[in-house]
Amino acid sequence: AQKITQTQPGMFVQEKEAVTLDCTYDTSDPSYGLFWYKQPSSGEMIFLIYQGSYDQQNATEGRYSLNFQKARKSANLVISASQLGDSAMYFCAMREIQGTYKYIFGTGTRLKVLA
Amino acid sequence: EPEVTQTPSHQVTQMGQEVILRCVPISNHLYFYWYRQILGQKVEFLVSFYNNEISEKSEIFDDQFSVERPDGSNFTLKIRSTKLEDSAMYFCASNRQKNADTQYFGPGTRLTVL
Repeated sequence: AQKITQTQPGMFVQEKEAVTLDCTYDTSDPSYGLFWYKQPSSGEMIFLIYQGSYDQQNATEGRYSLNFQKARKSANLVISASQLGDSAMYFCAMREIQGTYKYIFGTGTRLKVLA
Repeated sequence: EPEVTQTPSHQVTQMGQEVILRCVPISNHLYFYWYRQILGQKVEFLVSFYNNEISEKSEIFDDQFSVERPDGSNFTLKIRSTKLEDSAMYFCASNRQKNADTQYFGPGTRLTVL
């Protein structure tokens, strides 16, 4: 069965510093998608970044980059130059390729950016 | 930019009452999903819907739950007789294609069962 693990329940980072949020996954499928979502205190799920299992390069979206290490089955999110507005819950998710392509989510990491 | 919308943003109901949560997916999307997030926990898949029928449902999605696409735009989740443990944030999501890269999530409906 597919599984997403986020081992950091909470993280602190100083404003303007970079931070890495860990995500490991487990799947036997050769093709899959990995996603990161941000959930601020208001509750909505904001898509940040996507990495396909066959992508040759690590995904980047502005200040977000995904450190994809396929052999280690890890897909860590790197946020550069942290801002106070980055304080939120961050979820890693994997898209199944069997069935209906539903998402499987990790338990999340709560990030607090300090001024 | 098109987005998924959900109403209401917050619903308070008494235990045993029926609730209907509404979603308007992005207009050219074909695949629809409901997820649930109990406070402080991870997001869990409930059900997926395509071509006017359920494609897949989780063990959470028991006989108290139902989904419907009553017209060309709305996608609803009904809970027939709410329980305290149904209190959660409910997210609707949609895909244009089954294997599309990204599911687009709505802002969620916070359901509180008293």
